[in-house]
Amino acid sequence: QVQLVQSGAEVKKPGASVKVSCKASGYTFTSYDINWVRQATGQGLEWMGWMNPNSGNTGYAQKFQGRVTITRNTSISTAYMELSSLRSEDTAVYYCARRRGTTVAYYWGQGTLVTVSS
Amino acid sequence: QSALTQPASVSGSPGQSITISCTGTSSDVGGYNYVSWYQQHPGKAPKLMIYDVSKRPSGVSNRFSGSKSGNTASLTISGLQAEDEADYYCSSYTSSSTYVFGTGTKVTVL
Repeated sequence: QVQLVQSGAEVKKPGASVKVSCKASGYTFTSYDINWVRQATGQGLEWMGWMNPNSGNTGYAQKFQGRVTITRNTSISTAYMELSSLRSEDTAVYYCARRRGTTVAYYWGQGTLVTVSS
Repeated sequence: QSALTQPASVSGSPGQSITISCTGTSSDVGGYNYVSWYQQHPGKAPKLMIYDVSKRPSGVSNRFSGSKSGNTASLTISGLQAEDEADYYCSSYTSSSTYVFGTGTKVTVL
């Protein structure tokens, strides 16, 4: 069965960077795009960007352009999302999700809480 | 890209039907049949309930159905049950080759 397992919670100071991992299993990693979605506490879902694990091609929401980088390591079926210049407003749960067809998030990871605090 | 517009809350009694709307523009909801709906219980990851406007993934109850008219998509839950109480989000592909989510709707079972 498809599984996306994310790395554990992180606490970062303002101005720092965070890198969240998402290990895929149960399917061929390079066959499906990975999307990243975040959710601030008590707020809605926010799409951040996507990556094609086969080509490495990426696309980002305008809001995060220049601050977010999505990469992958195909040898270990793992995708990464790095967010830089963190501020308190970036405190949120970050989810990876596997695309299927035109559906942005057919399968979801369990989420990773990133807390930004001085 | 602005979030798609959903009502903040919808409520209904057990057994009733409710409908949640999701309004966008011709550049997202109205331009593509690529609308999906997600259910999220507190502290849990979202779960896909409907994709491509009206298709149900395997294992999702047929009490959930989706439709679209113009720039507005809708999710209908029939035979409302206590376990349906959750937050619901719509999502759409956009003309910028990106995705956008809705503002979210809290469903309360009275």
